Amino acid sequence: GEDVEQSLFLSVREGDSSVINCTYTDSSSTYLYWYKQEPGAGLQLLTYIFSNMDMKQDQRLTVLLNKKDKHLSLRIADTQTGDSAIYFCAVFNQAGTALIFGKGTTLSVSS
Amino acid sequence: DVKVTQSSRYLVKRTGEKVFLECVQDMDHENMFWYRQDPGLGLRLIYFSYDVKMKEKGDIPEGYSVSREKKERFSLILESASTNQTSMYLCASSPLDGETQYFGPGTRLLVL
Repeated sequence: GEDVEQSLFLSVREGDSSVINCTYTDSSSTYLYWYKQEPGAGLQLLTYIFSNMDMKQDQRLTVLLNKKDKHLSLRIADTQTGDSAIYFCAVFNQAGTALIFGKGTTLSVSS
Repeated sequence: DVKVTQSSRYLVKRTGEKVFLECVQDMDHENMFWYRQDPGLGLRLIYFSYDVKMKEKGDIPEGYSVSREKKERFSLILESASTNQTSMYLCASSPLDGETQYFGPGTRLLVL
């Protein structure tokens, strides 16, 4: 079946870059997504990349997609304490009926 | 802006009670979803709906049912709450092409 894997924790210092990685198995996704969840809140769509693209840059965020290796990454430049949150990678299942989420990567930013 | 609202942020119920979690979206989206989120398990899909009065089982439907009588409202029902249903419940909606899901703030349910 389809699966999305992420590392569970990442700790960085303020001002450093953060890289959160995600691998997925089968997907029919036209888009691949990154969601952010702040403590006690729901999920917020952070950014997404079209499946025909290799890279997308959006201010401090860079998304890289390697379709051959089924690998998606999110880079946050100049990480701030406000970036501390759980980040979820998500892709559609093969049938295209539902999103499959990774277990989430908890990003901890220390000053 | 898309807005997805959930009726309660926090809820405490007793074992055996019938529990209703309500979700409303204001963007005329066709698709609506219920997930539960547990530490170390991520988000798991309970039920989803593509249209009024239609529902489909997700990955973990046991112990739950849903109702979609109106397009904007999707209800999750715990017929007889159990302690293992203590969790964070997240509702989401998406338009017909389904490409982006928008989430509500979540309901943290504690079953005693």
